[in-house]
Amino acid sequence: AQSVAQPEDQVNVAEGNPLTVKCTYSVSGNPYLFWYVQYPNRGLQFLLKYITGDNLVKGSYGFEAEFNKSQTSFHLKKPSALVSDSALYFCAVRDGNRDDKIIFGKGTRLHILP
Amino acid sequence: DAGVIQSPRHEVTEMGQEVTLRCKPISGHNSLFWYRQTMMRGLELLIYFNNNVPIDDSGMPEDRFSAKMPNASFSTLKIQPSEPRDSAVYFCASSTGLAGAYNEQFFGPGTRLTVL
Repeated sequence: AQSVAQPEDQVNVAEGNPLTVKCTYSVSGNPYLFWYVQYPNRGLQFLLKYITGDNLVKGSYGFEAEFNKSQTSFHLKKPSALVSDSALYFCAVRDGNRDDKIIFGKGTRLHILP
Repeated sequence: DAGVIQSPRHEVTEMGQEVTLRCKPISGHNSLFWYRQTMMRGLELLIYFNNNVPIDDSGMPEDRFSAKMPNASFSTLKIQPSEPRDSAVYFCASSTGLAGAYNEQFFGPGTRLTVL
């Protein structure tokens, strides 16, 4: 069965510092990996995805994520955090070799401190 | 592009009442998803449709919950009778492709349901 884990409930980063939000996954086939962001009182918004190709994926708002097959990870990163990046971030995975639904992680709350 | 539209945005009802949540997906999208979000359980997929046909309803909590998609531009999620533990934010999302495939989902603003 496929699964996704976000080991940190909350991450605090000072404005201007680099940020990382961690995600690990488990699928039997090839993973389709996604990151979404949720701002207060809003629905989730798509940030980026990895399907195939380059391991480093660039997305919206300056975010990027690196697919690491050996570590089964897909960590979200940004070189310089903004206060406006404060939100709830969800990692999601789908097994590309099976007709399974997408599975979302529990979410990580990111606080950017001014 | 109006995005995914959900109504109502807020619903307060009393235990035992019927609740109907509505969703209009993005035009041209053929997959539609209903999610429930709570602090305790996070984001849960309740059911999804492809080409108006329910594909997987294994996430529907119990028989009190039902969902329909009579056409490509409209879906409903009904709770009858409602209970306080149904209080949550319910999201509708849509995408292209079978079960979303590798395409991203577009989420509506959600309906915040409070059952007293």
